[in-house]
Amino acid sequence: EIVLTQSPATLSLSPGERATLSCRASQSVSSYLAWYQQKPGQAPRLLIYDASNRATGIPARFSGSGSGTDFTLTISSLEPEDFAVYYCQQRSNWPPTFGPGTKVDIK
Amino acid sequence: EVQLVESGGGLVQPGGSLRLSCAASGFTFSSYWMSWVRQAPGKGLEWVANIKQDGSEKYYVDSVKGRFTISRDNAKNSLYLQMNSLRAEDTAVYYCAIDSWAFDYWGQGTLVTVSS
Repeated sequence: EIVLTQSPATLSLSPGERATLSCRASQSVSSYLAWYQQKPGQAPRLLIYDASNRATGIPARFSGSGSGTDFTLTISSLEPEDFAVYYCQQRSNWPPTFGPGTKVDIK
Repeated sequence: EVQLVESGGGLVQPGGSLRLSCAASGFTFSSYWMSWVRQAPGKGLEWVANIKQDGSEKYYVDSVKGRFTISRDNAKNSLYLQMNSLRAEDTAVYYCAIDSWAFDYWGQGTLVTVSS
C-alpha cells in the first residue's frame, strides 16, 4: 500500500497570502495524484486530478504540480472560503489511498 | 447537475448489519465506476470499495473484505453497500463518489455508528 505524507499538518495564513501544501508518496505514483478540499460538515470536493489538472469549476488560483513522489498544491492568493482541510490521494496503485490532510486556518 | 444522495445510515450494534444506498442523478450512472469512501469521526478519508459500470468487477479494502458487499442497479441509478458483521471501527460517515479521473463528485454522506 502506498503511504502519502502531507506537510505541514497545519498552515496558518492570512487572506491574500500564498499557500503551498506538500504531499509525498512512499513510492512513485507517476502523475496519478489528486487533491481535495473539505470544509467542516461537508463532503470533500475534487480540486485537482492527475497532479495538475483543475477539476470542473475550480478557480484558477488553485494549481497542482509534481510527479513521481513529490507533489504540491498551491493556492496563489487565499480567499476567505479557502480555509479548510486539504487531502491528497493516489490512484496509481491499489488500493487508492489518501494523505492525512493539511489544515489551512486563519492566522 | 450531478447529485448523489446517500441514505440508510444509523445506529447498529456490533455484529449487526446495515444497507446503505446512494441515489444518483444528473449524469449517466451506468457509464461510471462508483466508489464508497468513509471518514471516521475527526479522522481522514479511507476508500472502502468500488464497482465497475456493469457490476462485473468489485474491489474492497482489506479491512472490509468478506463483510461488505458493493452492488449497483443501473436501471434505478442506485449504488448500494451491504455491511455485515459490523465493528466499532466501522463507525464513520460513508460517502458514495463517482470514480473517474479521481473521486470526481461526492454525496453528502450518511453516518453509521456501531455501538452497544
